[in-house]
Amino acid sequence: DGGITQSPKYLFRKEGQNVTLSCEQNLNHDAMYWYRQDPGQGLRLIYYSQIVNDFQKGDIAEGYSVSREKKESFPLTVTSAQKNPTAFYLCASGHRVAGVTDTQYFGPGTRLTVL
Amino acid sequence: EDQVTQSPEALRLQEGESSSLNCSYTVSGLRGLFWYRQDPGKGPEFLFTLYSAGEEKEKERLKATLTKKESFLHITAPKPEDSATYLCAVQAAGYSSASKIIFGSGTRLSIRP
Repeated sequence: DGGITQSPKYLFRKEGQNVTLSCEQNLNHDAMYWYRQDPGQGLRLIYYSQIVNDFQKGDIAEGYSVSREKKESFPLTVTSAQKNPTAFYLCASGHRVAGVTDTQYFGPGTRLTVL
Repeated sequence: EDQVTQSPEALRLQEGESSSLNCSYTVSGLRGLFWYRQDPGKGPEFLFTLYSAGEEKEKERLKATLTKKESFLHITAPKPEDSATYLCAVQAAGYSSASKIIFGSGTRLSIRP
C-alpha cells in the first residue's frame, strides 16, 4: 500500500526545545518537500530535496533544518531559532509528469503546538 | 510577482446547488495548474493538473477548466461529502523544480443537506 506517512500526528514543544518531525514515503519518488500551513494562508515551502544527500531552502527555511540520507525519508527539525513554530506541517513527495510539471502527494500532516 | 488568488474564501451551498470556485493567477509562464481537496486536519488530496488554456478535466461531480488567467472548479449537484477546502496551486515556468509551486489560500466549501 503506497503512500506517505508522517509522525507524530500531534506534537507539543516547550520553548527552547528542538523537535523532529518524521516523513517517510514508499512511492519511489525522488523529490520530497516540507510545507507549513497557517490558518487563512497558502502552503509555504520550507525545504525541498530532489535527490538523496541534497536539499535546498524554500521560502521560509530560517529556524528549520532537514536531512536526506535515504530516498524514503526526509525528517524536519524545528529548532529553537524558529520564533513562531506553532503550525500544521505537511510533507509531500513528488515526480515529474510529462516532463513538465511536478505532481505532489501529501502526507496526513503533523500539528505542532508550542507551549 | 507570481501570485495565486482564490475566491470566494468560503462558500455555503445547499445539497444539489451547483456552483463554481475561482482561482486567478499571475505568473511569468505557466507549466501547470493543480487542484487539491483538503479535509480538516488532513493533508491535501491531489485532484487534477491542467496544462494549457482550454483544457478541462472531470472527476465525479467536479470539473476543472483553465483559461490564460484563471481556473474554475465547477461542482455539479454537490453532496455533503463534498464539503472541504479546495486548494489551487500553480507551477511557474523558468524554474527547474517544484520550488516554484505557488499555493492559493483555498476556498472552504460547505454543503448543507
